[in-house]
Amino acid sequence: AAGVIQSPRHLIKEKRETATLKCYPIPRHDTVYWYQQGPGQDPQFLISFYEKMQSDKGSIPDRFSAQQFSDYHSELNMSSLELGDSALYFCASSRAAGTGVGGYTFGSGTRLTVV
Amino acid sequence: AQTVTQSQPEMSVQEAETVTLSCTYDTSESNYYLFWYKQPPSRQMILVIRQEAYKQQNATENRFSVNFQKAAKSFSLKISDSQLGDTAMYFCAFMKDLKTSYDKVIFGPGTSLSVIP
Repeated sequence: AAGVIQSPRHLIKEKRETATLKCYPIPRHDTVYWYQQGPGQDPQFLISFYEKMQSDKGSIPDRFSAQQFSDYHSELNMSSLELGDSALYFCASSRAAGTGVGGYTFGSGTRLTVV
Repeated sequence: AQTVTQSQPEMSVQEAETVTLSCTYDTSESNYYLFWYKQPPSRQMILVIRQEAYKQQNATENRFSVNFQKAAKSFSLKISDSQLGDTAMYFCAFMKDLKTSYDKVIFGPGTSLSVIP
């Protein structure tokens, strides 16, 4: 079965650079969620999109922005990178009013290292 | 706001033995979901088991079972016949039931489980 695809798997950037993370949801899933997991920490919710509109917002820095496109994939743009942005970034997808909570699926994550 | 607490940062168990991971949560919601996620060294987030709050029966998935105490807001995970592949970080998690859509997942701080040969 198709899963949530995140790219790239690993990314190394320098301070003050910009990074773009991509998330391709499971086919027919219309909602995407982004999470940030720092070293030794639990994942923290950043932002979510439903039908290309922002549906919820968590502790996402102003330096970060995200959007969901017409094909439902989402991109997380991170500017003016700081060392503290080094983390594992997860994307999850679901289908609204779908077939059950089991439809909520996480991708394998993108590991961002800021040097 | 919802919070999830896991009071055991680290645990260990002998292979083939049984171990129980504790979790408590706080919410004013009456309808919600609870989960246990496993995160092995590969860092993949893997769903182990889920529980709907409206169901009184405890969920089970093969060697994994939960003890859901709604009044006490407690949700522990029991792993029977522990295997080396169970070594991982385990996160207890909460999600509000929005009826027609899914909400964000709120994670606990995690319990690092080591299965000893």
